[in-house]
Amino acid sequence: EVQLLESGGGLVQPGGSLRLSCAASGFTFSSYAMSWVRQAPGKGLEWVSTINNSGGSTYYADSVKGRFTISRDNSKHTVYLQMDSLRAEDTAVYYCAKRADSYYFDYWGQGTLVTVSS
Amino acid sequence: QSVLTQPPSVSAAPGQKVTISCSGSSSNIGNNYVSWYQQVPGTAPKVLIYENNKRPSGIPDRFSGSKSGTSATLGITGLQTGDEADYYCGTWDSSLSAYVFGTGTKVTVL
Repeated sequence: EVQLLESGGGLVQPGGSLRLSCAASGFTFSSYAMSWVRQAPGKGLEWVSTINNSGGSTYYADSVKGRFTISRDNSKHTVYLQMDSLRAEDTAVYYCAKRADSYYFDYWGQGTLVTVSS
Repeated sequence: QSVLTQPPSVSAAPGQKVTISCSGSSSNIGNNYVSWYQQVPGTAPKVLIYENNKRPSGIPDRFSGSKSGTSATLGITGLQTGDEADYYCGTWDSSLSAYVFGTGTKVTVL
């Protein structure tokens, strides 16, 4: 059974940093790209970032480019999202998602809430 | 602002059918696979349709997907109260080099 478990969310002040983690199990982690998708309160889904299976290629939404960094540790079956220079508009539930080969998200974590506020 | 446009809401009585449209452009829907996601409030999204019209195992055939040109459609037949949720289309946008989601559609069972 595929499981994705996010952690690291919480309350942070504007301009601060936070690192999210997503521990994966139930599939060959090193064979698949992984992504982060967020959802602001009462809003729709927004893709944030994707990293390929080896970690050699990364992609970011314009809204987070230069501030967020995605990475992965295939030995630990974990993907990370380092979030710097956080803004109020980054407040959202952040979901980790496994990306299938034809670019859709076939499994999702339960999400972790990030609140940026003073 | 999303590049994929969906109606804000659709509704129908139990047992009836609803369709949800997703309008895009040649840089996204026109040249890439479309997927559809269901999100019950307070829970994580779940994929219903991938590669335009394929259903993952466990998704009932009441859910169907189609694509024509730069638009896609999700159909739900035999509507049930458990189908009340938000539905999103999604695809890769080759011009933006980004994955894009639709604006979302709330389905209400009357």
